[in-house]
Amino acid sequence: DQQVKQNSPSLSVQEGRISILNCDYTNSMFDYFLWYKKYPAEGPTFLISISSIKDKNEDGRFTVFLNKSAKHLSLHIVPSQPGDSAVYFCAANAGGTSYGKLTFGQGTILTVHP
Amino acid sequence: DGGITQSPKYLFRKEGQNVTLSCEQNLNHDAMYWYRQDPGQGLRLIYYSQIVNDFQKGDIAEGYSVSREKKESFPLTVTSAQKNPTAFYLCASGPSDIVLTGELFFGEGSRLTVL
Repeated sequence: DQQVKQNSPSLSVQEGRISILNCDYTNSMFDYFLWYKKYPAEGPTFLISISSIKDKNEDGRFTVFLNKSAKHLSLHIVPSQPGDSAVYFCAANAGGTSYGKLTFGQGTILTVHP
Repeated sequence: DGGITQSPKYLFRKEGQNVTLSCEQNLNHDAMYWYRQDPGQGLRLIYYSQIVNDFQKGDIAEGYSVSREKKESFPLTVTSAQKNPTAFYLCASGPSDIVLTGELFFGEGSRLTVL
């Protein structure tokens, strides 16, 4: 049972344009959501997060939007740069006794063309 | 520099052999985790440990074992009972407020291939 889903395996964007990566979840107990970025043969690195009490969080070129009623979140990258090309994982945490046990989506490969 | 070190980066194993993947962190984090990544799938939790001398099974613990004798170290043994061990293994750690945020710090991973 996939509790966190990223339905788009890949996304291709032109440099300077907006990249929008989507993520859906099914578990109502999730209360904290994160995005990680991963380059080949490396570990993921934390990018941005959002608590369930918010609907938007911004950090430079990266903005995460959360729609709790739809159980959907998205990551916007504006403007996109070739260095953003990587795999992006959406992750969720149920907090409380889950103690940092993240549930990850399948990942979306983002390619930004110069 | 503070960080998480995994070794070896690449490992080949014959069927029926046990192998141990090393994970060391100098971030003074209480919690440590092992995840497995397969193509087209997200990271899946194998084992995690909140404190020394204690660890819990994750979602796919069968065929794996761990120990947490020191705060800095969380080795993972892939046993011969693991039916499909070829994968990319990631170790992570988190600070004591991990319960609130879930922000983990990952090592660079170990790729295990069974011949």
